[in-house]
Amino acid sequence: AQSVTQLDSQVPVFEEAPVELRCNYSSSVSVYLFWYVQYPNQGLQLLLKYLSGSTLVKGINGFEAEFNKSQTSFHLRKPSVHISDTAEYFCAVSGKDTNAGKSTFGDGTTLTVKP
Amino acid sequence: GAVVSQHPSRVICKSGTSVKIECRSLDFQATTMFWYRQFPKKSLMLMATSNEGSKATYEQGVEKDKFLINHASLTLSTLTVTSAHPEDSSFYICSASDRDNEQFFGPGTRLTVL
Repeated sequence: AQSVTQLDSQVPVFEEAPVELRCNYSSSVSVYLFWYVQYPNQGLQLLLKYLSGSTLVKGINGFEAEFNKSQTSFHLRKPSVHISDTAEYFCAVSGKDTNAGKSTFGDGTTLTVKP
Repeated sequence: GAVVSQHPSRVICKSGTSVKIECRSLDFQATTMFWYRQFPKKSLMLMATSNEGSKATYEQGVEKDKFLINHASLTLSTLTVTSAHPEDSSFYICSASDRDNEQFFGPGTRLTVL
C-alpha cells in the first residue's frame, strides 16, 4: 500500500516568483510518481511523471520535479509562475507492481498566484 | 495526447432516480478504465477499476449495487448511480489507461441530487 502527503494545502505566491509544492510518499514497493494539475470543474492533466532514470523530471508549462528516494519526496518546482498557474495540484503514487491507473493521490495543494 | 470524454458534464436529478455517466476514450483503446469520486476541496478517491469484458473491481467501502459499472467495449465504460441520494452528490472523474499504462483523465461529471 502507498500513501501520499502534500505538505501544504495552500500556497499563495506573487506572479514571477518561484514556487515549490512539496510531496512526500510512503510505499513498501518501488513506485511511479506523478504530478497533476486540475483547473476548476475540470479533470486532471498530467504535468510530469517519474518512472525511472534521471531523478530530475521536466514537465509541461515549465514545471519540474525531483525524485529523492532517500527522503521519499517528489517536490514540484517552477522558477517563475504566472497567473494562469493558479489551480489545484495533486501528487500521486502508484506501485510498480500495479497498473499505473491505480494511483493514490495526495489531498492536493491550492496554488494561488497573485498579481 | 490521448483524449477521454465524459457525458454529461453536469447532471441534476431527483432523489431516488438513477443516473448514468459515460466515459469514452476517443482515440485509443483502453483495456482499463477507472472511476474516481472527488469531494469539494478533497483528493480523488478511487471507486473502482473497470476492465473490458469483465466485472469491475470495487475499492473497499464502495457499494457495488449502488455504483454499477459496465465496460462494454474498449472505448466505453459507464457508471450508473442507482437510487441516488443527496449524499451521492459529487464530482465523478473517469480515467483510461493505454497500453503503456499512462493514465488519461476525463473532464469530470458534476452530479447534484436534490
